[in-house]
Amino acid sequence: GNSVTQMEGPVTLSEEAFLTINCTYTATGYPSLFWYVQYPGEGLQLLLKATKADDKGSNKGFEATYRKETTSFHLEKGSVQVSDSAVYFCALRSYSGGGADGLTFGKGTHLIIQP
Amino acid sequence: DADVTQTPRNRITKTGKRIMLECSQTKGHDRMYWYRQDPGLGLRLIYYSFDVKDINKGEISDGYSVSRQAQAKFSLSLESAIPNQTALYFCATSQTGVNQPQHFGDGTRLSIL
Repeated sequence: GNSVTQMEGPVTLSEEAFLTINCTYTATGYPSLFWYVQYPGEGLQLLLKATKADDKGSNKGFEATYRKETTSFHLEKGSVQVSDSAVYFCALRSYSGGGADGLTFGKGTHLIIQP
Repeated sequence: DADVTQTPRNRITKTGKRIMLECSQTKGHDRMYWYRQDPGLGLRLIYYSFDVKDINKGEISDGYSVSRQAQAKFSLSLESAIPNQTALYFCATSQTGVNQPQHFGDGTRLSIL
């Protein structure tokens, strides 16, 4: 079946540091890949997505590239801010390989940015 | 106004009580979902629905039931609440399609004493 693995954290960085949150996946077929962000007291929000190999999703200074050869979708940001403190979820959607309605989530990575 | 609205936002109740959590959406999406979130366990799917006549069990449906009253409304019920159902509950919606993301409500924090 499909699966998503991401570093769980917490990941603690100083403001303006470079961020990488690793995400690797196992899937049959041709999945779409997503990063969601959850701020304290809120639901998950779509941060970015990529729907085919070599696509790069980007939003709010965050980027992730769909790497089929390494089955990865790592999230990066060049200079983090305190306001980026949140929980980040990597997810995939594929109608092959199981998962209810094709959906599979990682367990989330808690990011803490210190001033 | 929020596209996916959950009520109540917070609820404290006692063991054995019946509880209903409600979700409504204005996005016009056919697919709706209920998740629970527990620390260290990520999101776990309880039930999902493709339309009013199509309800499916998720990973952890025992102890829960759902009702899809209309395209825009999807309710989650705990018939007899127990303390290990204390969690954060999320409703989500989606369009059909592998490249479609989900859209989440702000959650209901449920505490069962």
